[in-house]
Amino acid sequence: SSELTQDPPVSVALGQTVRITCQGDSLTSYYASWYQQKPGQAPVLVIYGENKRPSGIPDRFSGSSSGNTASLTITGAQAEDEADYYCNSRDSSVKHLGVVFGGGTKLTVL
Amino acid sequence: EVQLVESGGGLVQPGGSLRLSCAASGFTLSSYSMNWVRQAPGKGLEWVSYISSSSHTKYYADSVKGRFTISRDNAKNSLYLEMNSLRDEDTAVYYCARGILETTFDYWGQGTLVTVSS
Repeated sequence: SSELTQDPPVSVALGQTVRITCQGDSLTSYYASWYQQKPGQAPVLVIYGENKRPSGIPDRFSGSSSGNTASLTITGAQAEDEADYYCNSRDSSVKHLGVVFGGGTKLTVL
Repeated sequence: EVQLVESGGGLVQPGGSLRLSCAASGFTLSSYSMNWVRQAPGKGLEWVSYISSSSHTKYYADSVKGRFTISRDNAKNSLYLEMNSLRDEDTAVYYCARGILETTFDYWGQGTLVTVSS
């Protein structure tokens, strides 16, 4: 199956900008979606498609894509953004529908 | 308000079976595809299975193919996951998640813990 590779743990100073990346062959054909997960909670969708935000997600969250890399950018990180972030996309290695998740990136806001 | 509530988790011995349920409310279940995603303790997310809105199409991760069966009852606003021949590595929190695109899940339940252990 396809793989999505995410950054190791990342830290950002309060109010600064941070970018988290997700790499994989499938991203040359399919968009990534991004999920935020805080300890003990279910994941929350923050970005999908070509930089779309679900209702209620602050506009400091944005997404972009280039080649085999998708990126999630938080502009002006807040303390409440500290969480694990996961990307996912379609598994391009199978004919039927398959879904692959990245391993996650832990974001610490300092 | 969209709500997804999983139930049915618990402790089961290796080789045993378990049936998970997901009760949906606040939206028309028959209009959406649904998925199961799991998360082993301290690990990342792993997609398990997909079912189309009409149940016509079902897909599974290789790790559960032949052992798990996804189903739904739109009239009862419910999604199910029948799990057989359970293994230690199936131990995880299992989430049901609504699909808005093939691989985009916009609402998730709170999860139900399945522990496979002797």
